Amino acid sequence: AQTVTQSQPEMSVQEAETVTLSCTYDTSENNYYLFWYKQPPSRQMILVIRQEAYKQQNATENRFSVNFQKAAKSFSLKISDSQLGDTAMYFCAFMKDTGRRALTFGSGTRLQVQP
Amino acid sequence: IAGITQAPTSQILAAGRRMTLRCTQDMRHNAMYWYRQDLGLGLRLIHYSNTAGTTGKGEVPDGYSVSRANTDDFPLTLASAVPSQTSVYFCASSKGTASSYNEQFFGPGTRLTVL
Repeated sequence: AQTVTQSQPEMSVQEAETVTLSCTYDTSENNYYLFWYKQPPSRQMILVIRQEAYKQQNATENRFSVNFQKAAKSFSLKISDSQLGDTAMYFCAFMKDTGRRALTFGSGTRLQVQP
Repeated sequence: IAGITQAPTSQILAAGRRMTLRCTQDMRHNAMYWYRQDLGLGLRLIHYSNTAGTTGKGEVPDGYSVSRANTDDFPLTLASAVPSQTSVYFCASSKGTASSYNEQFFGPGTRLTVL
């Protein structure tokens, strides 16, 4: 079974600054996907970024980038130029590449962007 | 607009009552999932269905049942609700093809309170 750990229950950052959210995972799989989801107060789950385990290059989506360290089983999210709209819960999630392709989520990090 | 709908948006339910949460998608996705979200625990998989006519158990299936009579609908039933089933419930779907990555799309969620 897979586990995903987010050790930062809450974080705060000033607007326009950079913040990094941490995530570690445990799996015996070699092929898998990792994700960061954003959940604003509206409750909607929004996919922020995804990383394929077979790709060494870190994924980037505009102001969002990841630091994927496969050997260390670490998958952190960096948000650059933080905006007030980034205030949300952020969940790290894991998906196997075979069989049941459900998501395994971490417990989440609540990010507050301060003006 | 294509997507996933869930009903009801929220519900307060007396313990011992039967309740069915509805989920419908119009994207012709093969795979569907039910997750529950609890504070400090992230989202956990309750049941899933890889294709119409098949279902499987997730991490926390006890007290819940599902059916998948057709591609579009995936109802979740609580046969006799208990207070520990107070949670936010999310339905999700994906194409479910085996050969490539399939993004999961989430519904807006149902907030259920069992008293």
